[in-house]
Amino acid sequence: QKEVEQNSGPLSVPEGAIASLNCTYSDRGSQSFFWYRQYSGKSPELIMFIYSNGDKEDGRFTAQLNKASQYVSLLIRDSQPSDSATYLCASLYSGAGSYQLTFGKGTKLSVIP
Amino acid sequence: NAGVTQTPKFQVLKTGQSMTLQCAQDMNHNSMYWYRQDPGMGLRLIYYSASEGTTDKGEVPNGYNVSRLNKREFSLRLESAAPSQTSVYFCASRGSGTYEQYFGPGTRLTVT
Repeated sequence: QKEVEQNSGPLSVPEGAIASLNCTYSDRGSQSFFWYRQYSGKSPELIMFIYSNGDKEDGRFTAQLNKASQYVSLLIRDSQPSDSATYLCASLYSGAGSYQLTFGKGTKLSVIP
Repeated sequence: NAGVTQTPKFQVLKTGQSMTLQCAQDMNHNSMYWYRQDPGMGLRLIYYSASEGTTDKGEVPNGYNVSRLNKREFSLRLESAAPSQTSVYFCASRGSGTYEQYFGPGTRLTVT
């Protein structure tokens, strides 16, 4: 059973602070990991993906992957109220012609002005 | 480009009724997916289609059927709706050689 675990939150941070979102996964065969942002009542949108150990930066967002610990994180620097949303972590299973994402339950982030 | 479109946006059904949720994409993507999202449960894969003419079960397929009508369209059918199928349903598509899944706006289904 492939599982992705996230703290449901809510995680509250003041505007301008760093928000740290964490995720663990159970399947050591998972190779790639994705962070989606979902505003209330809207559909998920991809923020970043990462498949190598270490850090990957894109603007204010940094994804971190530690395969030995089966741990993925997303850092949001200089958090803004517009970052308030639910963040979904997902792992990729690909094999036998299929490509499936397993999603965590999401962490709700609230950025306080 | 409209991206991924879904109809209807909202639907209320009585237990035992049937209905089909429609999904279409205009991005020439090969792969399409149906998910359901329940409070506190995240997104769960119902069915997917890796290419036109193929469909496969995901994590929670019971009570659903799908049809990949052509490359653009992928429909989800509830033959006999149950209250446990009350959920938000998302369709997504993905292009070959890419990782990103693009999601439609969702259908909010209530079964009473």
